[in-house]
Amino acid sequence: GAVVSQHPSWVICKSGTSVKIECRSLDFQATTMFWYRQFPKQSLMLMATSNEGSKATYEQGVEKDKFLINHASLTLSTLTVTSAHPEDSSFYICSAGRQGVVNQPQHFGDGTRLSIL
Amino acid sequence: AQSVTQLDSHVSVSEGTPVLLRCNYSSSYSPSLFWYVQHPNKGLQLLLKYTSAATLVKGINGFEAEFKKSETSFHLTKPSAHMSDAAEYFCVVSEAAGNKLTFGGGTRVLVKP
Repeated sequence: GAVVSQHPSWVICKSGTSVKIECRSLDFQATTMFWYRQFPKQSLMLMATSNEGSKATYEQGVEKDKFLINHASLTLSTLTVTSAHPEDSSFYICSAGRQGVVNQPQHFGDGTRLSIL
Repeated sequence: AQSVTQLDSHVSVSEGTPVLLRCNYSSSYSPSLFWYVQHPNKGLQLLLKYTSAATLVKGINGFEAEFKKSETSFHLTKPSAHMSDAAEYFCVVSEAAGNKLTFGGGTRVLVKP
């Protein structure tokens, strides 16, 4: 069964709305989680690394004030798209790996399809 | 720095015939390599991984991949394609520390009946 749960699966909302996406590790603790964005027919692009108890690390070109990341516990990271606009419409995916093991496979959530009208 | 190149953006095969998805990588470290599959509007499912053990890696659903250091390749194969194999496949390399992943551009597999 799924080891990483992502919610919601689909979001449709009006421009200017803020949207929160949750990523939970179900049966393990994850000090680090990753957030990706995927455009249609393209690969995954890493947006940021979410670190439990500290600030997220953002990739170059990703606006940290636009994409707020909170990793308040060892099993939950949230991505909030603030004041979303149509250009923010995309497929967002999170991943997490078991704590303390390097080069392990990441477990991915099922993704969130965000559509901004 | 590390990078991954998937040599084919699309692969079309007939059901029951072999599948070959090509992947080349570059990495400053001894890499860990993965193949993931993504079905439409879904997250990624791990097919197999290479982490410096046996160079021929067997995964789920009949897939396997061979790590060739001299060629910096990690090609994915399956002897006989099934209709359910139609999906997007990603070759991924992992940093030595931090588990940060670098993705290839993806290969879309079409399986014809």
